[in-house]
Amino acid sequence: EVQLVESGGGLVQPGGSLRLSCAASGFTFGNYWMSWVRLAPGKGLEWVAHIKQDGSEKYYVDSVKGRFTISRDNAKNSLFLQMNSLRAEDTAVYYCARGGAGAAAPFDYWGQGTLVTVSS
Amino acid sequence: EIVLTQSPATLSLSPGERATLSCRASQSVSRYLGWYQQKPGQAPRLLIYDASNRATGIPARFSGSGSGTDFTLTISSLEPEDFAVYYCQQRSNWPLTFGGGTKVEIK
Repeated sequence: EVQLVESGGGLVQPGGSLRLSCAASGFTFGNYWMSWVRLAPGKGLEWVAHIKQDGSEKYYVDSVKGRFTISRDNAKNSLFLQMNSLRAEDTAVYYCARGGAGAAAPFDYWGQGTLVTVSS
Repeated sequence: EIVLTQSPATLSLSPGERATLSCRASQSVSRYLGWYQQKPGQAPRLLIYDASNRATGIPARFSGSGSGTDFTLTISSLEPEDFAVYYCQQRSNWPLTFGGGTKVEIK
């Protein structure tokens, strides 16, 4: 059974940092592109970042470029999102989502999410 | 950036009725459009990919159609568990984008 379990969310002050993790199981993690997608309060889903199987390609939404870094450790079946210079508008539930073998495949499995709150 | 506009924002229907949700893209996405369902406190679930292909385990009452800039998700007969928010998403161009969502609520 495919499982994605996020962790690392919490309350952080504006300008602060947080590192999210996603533990994957039930599939060959290294064979899939992986993404982070967020859901802000009262808003819709927003794709945040995407990483290739070997980590050699990464894509970001403009609003997080230069502040967020996506990475992965295939030996530990783990996906990460390092978030720096956090802003109030980054407050959201962050989901880890599995892509596919291709760069922009649909997200067929999602984790339950971890809540990030940016507030003083 | 490709903007996806979903309509209506809210759809009020009764169980057993047919639901028709629309998604319009600001430029052609060919058939690279998917639909997701999300219930409160739950993860999104992939329903339809590439405009008309049902994802694994999705009931036949869900169907998708369209190409280019205009797409439709149809739920032929609403079940109680179908009341949720539905999002379309394009994978034709970076950045990947989602529509603003359509909430299907019980009338």
